[in-house]
Order: sequence, then C-alpha cells, then structure tokens
Amino acid sequence: DAGVTQSPTHLIKTRGQQVTLRCSPKSGHDTVSWYQQALGQGPQFIFQYYEEEERQRGNFPDRFSGHQFPNYSSELNVNALLLGDSALYLCASSFPEETQYFGPGTRLLVL
Amino acid sequence: AQSVAQPEDQVNVAEGNPLTVKCTYSVSGNPYLFWYVQYPNRGLQFLLKYITGDNLVKGSYGFEAEFNKSQTSFHLKKPSALVSDSALYFCAVREEAARQLTFGSGTQLTVLP
Repeated sequence: DAGVTQSPTHLIKTRGQQVTLRCSPKSGHDTVSWYQQALGQGPQFIFQYYEEEERQRGNFPDRFSGHQFPNYSSELNVNALLLGDSALYLCASSFPEETQYFGPGTRLLVL
Repeated sequence: AQSVAQPEDQVNVAEGNPLTVKCTYSVSGNPYLFWYVQYPNRGLQFLLKYITGDNLVKGSYGFEAEFNKSQTSFHLKKPSALVSDSALYFCAVREEAARQLTFGSGTQLTVLP
C-alpha cells in the first residue's frame, strides 16, 4: 500500500516565477492538507482540500492556491515567488478529521 | 486559537536511559494531540495520538505519551532510548472543530551511544 507521494523532490526557481507541486494521497484517503516548513521551524498550515473544495485556509497570501482532482490528488501553486518561499512543502492525507499522514515533501529553493 | 509549545530545542540522553520530550498546548475545548518524528531530509512520520480515553497513549517503536489535562501537557516518553531514536520530534494539536494541525517548533533528540 503506497503512502503519500509528492513530486518533485527538489526544485529550484528564481524570484517572480511560478511553481506547481503535486501530491497523491494514501490509498483510500480523500482529504489533502498542505503545510510549509521553513528551515528550523515546525510546519505551518497552508490549506486543506476535500471533495475538490478548499475547506480551510491558513494565514498565507493569495499567491498560494491549490486544486484537488476527482481522484483526490492535489496540486499546490505558488505565484510570484519570493525568497521567503524557500521551504519544505509537505502534503498530508487523511479521512476528514482523522490522523494526517505526511509525504516526504518537496524542497523548494528560490534564488 | 490553538497553540503548542515545546520548551526544549535540544534533548540529549544516553542510550538505554529513559527519555522525555516535553509539550504543552492551548486550545478551546477538547484537544486532539499528536506526536510526529522527522528524520533528516524526510517528511513527518506519525508516532501516536490522543483523542479521548486513557491518559497514557502507546504508539510506534516503543514510544508512549501521557496526557495531563490539568497541566495541559502531552509529554512523549520512552523507557529505554536507542541511538536510532535520534531525530526531530514535533508535537501537534487540533481543536475538536478545527481541520488544521498546529505544530510546535520541534525538539532535536540526540541519543548518545
């Protein structure tokens, strides 16, 4: 049984560019949450998707957007990248209000 | 608003000794509490959770955690530490009506051989 998978594993972008990160949930899970983990900090909640709708959003600007597909996979898009967007981006899958299981993350470096 | 504090950035313990990693929380209403572990350049791995019931929760790899409502704490424990337990440990909380997890800043555990 595959766990949560994310792609790509690493990514380098320059300021002002746009990036798309992808996540496939653990088999059977229908809820996907995205977190940003800056170096030396705990993960910060970006948003959560369920039934292809954004259910809740953390304190992140509109440059961060997402999508969930009918097969429950999800994308995180970040526009107009800033140096401060450099971080490990973690995807977690779950059933609604159940334990969240995390993928290995995508490490984004913005130059 | 929900919040978590991990008061120790670093915990060192000798192999074979018991270990404790501390966590305190603040929520409105009933808390759902979690511990995750992160190895270098990896995602978070779920260890255990408290939802309701017994205050002592047992999890993976011999870890357990004790929920103390009066002290609003959820400390992670293991009776005998292994060198392979060395990693970054995160405590997280979710209010009953919330959807997101709020994490602490993490505690780096080093088990010395």
